[in-house]
Amino acid sequence: KQEVTQIPAALSVPEGENLVLNCSFTDSAIYNLQWFRQDPGKGLTSLLLIQSSQREQTSGRLNASLDKSSGRSTLYIAASQPGDSATYLCAVKDDYGQNFVFGPGTRLSVLP
Amino acid sequence: GAGVSQTPSNKVTEKGKYVELRCDPISGHTALYWYRQSLGQGPEFLIYFQGTGAADDSGLPNDRFFAVRPEGSVSTLKIQRTERGDSAVYLCASTPGPVSEAFFGQGTRLTVV
Repeated sequence: KQEVTQIPAALSVPEGENLVLNCSFTDSAIYNLQWFRQDPGKGLTSLLLIQSSQREQTSGRLNASLDKSSGRSTLYIAASQPGDSATYLCAVKDDYGQNFVFGPGTRLSVLP
Repeated sequence: GAGVSQTPSNKVTEKGKYVELRCDPISGHTALYWYRQSLGQGPEFLIYFQGTGAADDSGLPNDRFFAVRPEGSVSTLKIQRTERGDSAVYLCASTPGPVSEAFFGQGTRLTVV
């Protein structure tokens, strides 16, 4: 059974810092991995999708990498802003089922 | 609409009552998912539809939960004899294909009192 963990559970940084969020999964047989952002009381907003054959994806200040063999993905946020404050979730779609398995999320606070 | 739409956004019901939660996926998306999210946790899978059929319902917690997608578009999640433990945010997502990006709705916050 696929299990996804995220470290750290919470992170507080001053504005302008670069930061890295970590996602680990137990079974490397995956179709893809997707990073989401969730604001309090809201749904999930897709940030980046990495297919199993890809190593990384970039969108603006965000860069996500995937190391399938070691079961790890990182989300790098450059020059963080207070508007980046949210919970960041990673989700893995594996080869066996068709559903996404989510991690518990990292709650990020960027202080002005 | 352009995104996944869920209604109602909030639902308060009494213990033991029946509720229906609706999801309108993005037009043309064949795959539809239901998830449940409790406070401070990641979403947990409930059921996945490919077209009109439930391809995987292994996440439904018990037989009080049921979902349909009769025409391969709108889906309804039905909960019978609601319990206080059913209180959560119910999220719906759709994708155009099995390896495509998933798009989520804003969720329905269900509170059972």
